[in-house]
Amino acid sequence: EAGVAQSPRYKIIEKRQSVAFWCNPISGHATLYWYQQILGQGPKLLIQFQNNGVVDDSQLPKDRFSAERLKGVDSTLKIQPAKLEDSAVYLCASSLAVSGPLTQYFGPGTRLLVL
Amino acid sequence: AQSVTQPDIHITVSEGASLELRCNYSYGATPYLFWYVQSPGQGLQLLLKYFSGDTLVQGIKGFEAEFKRSQSSFNLRKPSVHWSDAAEYFCVWAPGGYNKLIFGAGTRLAVHP
Repeated sequence: EAGVAQSPRYKIIEKRQSVAFWCNPISGHATLYWYQQILGQGPKLLIQFQNNGVVDDSQLPKDRFSAERLKGVDSTLKIQPAKLEDSAVYLCASSLAVSGPLTQYFGPGTRLLVL
Repeated sequence: AQSVTQPDIHITVSEGASLELRCNYSYGATPYLFWYVQSPGQGLQLLLKYFSGDTLVQGIKGFEAEFKRSQSSFNLRKPSVHWSDAAEYFCVWAPGGYNKLIFGAGTRLAVHP
C-alpha cells in the first residue's frame, strides 16, 4: 500500500516570496491534515480536511497561509508572502475518517527554508 | 491548556541497555495516546497506541508503553536498545477521542555502541 506522498521534499525561498506544497493521501483516506514542525518542536496542526471540507483551521495563519483539497483527494498548502519564521518542515497526514481515535499516517514532509 | 510534556529533551544510552522515555499529558476524561518515532529524513512512524483496555500496550520494534491514569503518564520502554533506535520520539495525545493530535516536544535518543 502506498503511503502519503509529498512534494517537493526541499524548498528554499526568499522572504516575501510565495511557495506551495502538495500532498497525496493514502487511497481511501477521507481525512487529511497539514502540520508545521519547527526545529526542536513537535508538529502543530495547521488545518484538517474531511473530504473537501475544512474541519479545523483554528491554528492556520490565514493572512498568509491557505490550503485547499479539491475533489477530496490531493491537497495543496500555500504560503504568500513567506516570512523567516515560516522555516519549518510541513507534514501531511491522512486517516480513514475524522471521528474516533483513528491513526494518522504521515508523509516524509517538505523542508522549507526562508532566507 | 491541553498539553503533553516530555521532560527529557535528549537521552543517551548504550546499545543493549534498557530505555524508558517519559510522557505526561495535562488532563482528559478519555485520553487516546500514541508514540511516534521520527528518524532523520523520514516521516513520523507509529510505534504504538492506547485507546482502551489493557494498560500495557505492545508496539513495533520491541517497544511497549504503560498507561497510568493516576499519574497521567504514558511512558515508553524497551528492554534492549539497538543502534538503529537512534531517532526522535514523540508522545502524542488526542484528548476526548477526537482526531486533533497534540504532540510533545520530543525526546532525541542517541545510542552509543
